[in-house]
Amino acid sequence: AQSVTQLGSHVSVSEGALVLLRCNYSSSVPPYLFWYVQYPNQGLQLLLKYTSAATLVKGINGFEAEFKKSETSFHLTKPSAHMSDAAEYFCATKGSGYSTLTFGKGTMLLVSP
Amino acid sequence: EAGVTQFPSHSVIEKGQTVTLRCDPISGHDNLYWYRRVMGKEIKFLLHFVKESKQDESGMPNNRFLAERTGGTYSTLKVQPAELEDSGVYFCASSHASGGRADTQYFGPGTRLTVL
Repeated sequence: AQSVTQLGSHVSVSEGALVLLRCNYSSSVPPYLFWYVQYPNQGLQLLLKYTSAATLVKGINGFEAEFKKSETSFHLTKPSAHMSDAAEYFCATKGSGYSTLTFGKGTMLLVSP
Repeated sequence: EAGVTQFPSHSVIEKGQTVTLRCDPISGHDNLYWYRRVMGKEIKFLLHFVKESKQDESGMPNNRFLAERTGGTYSTLKVQPAELEDSGVYFCASSHASGGRADTQYFGPGTRLTVL
């Protein structure tokens, strides 16, 4: 079964610092991987997705993620955090049934001035 | 283009009562999904509609949960009778095209259900 693991339920950074949110996947087939963000009182919004094309995927709001097969990772990064980036971030994959998403437990990003 | 909408945003009920959650997908999206996040846990899949048909309901917890999508438009998720462990946030998502692996699922804001 496909699964993802997010390391760290909370990550704190200062404004302007690098953001690194970790996601490792477990898959017996080439995975499809996603990062979603949930801002307070809003639905999940897709940040970016990996579908076996380029290994470096650029998303919205300056985020990007790199698919590393050797490390089974798909970490999310942003060079410089902004206060508005404070939200909960979810890594997800699609299983062998290909339609449904399997999520990690989420990482809350806290940004301090 | 209007996004996925869900109603109500919050619901507080007592154990044993019935609650119905509604989801309106993005217009033209044939695929509709329900997910649930219990506090402290990951978001988990409940079921998937293609138009009015249930494509996959393997995530439904038990027969107290009934989902419908009459006419292939909006969907309802009824919990009857509700139990304490049903508390959580219920998300709805929709996608168009084939509903395949590459499709993007667009999520609603969720309904927060509290069972007392």
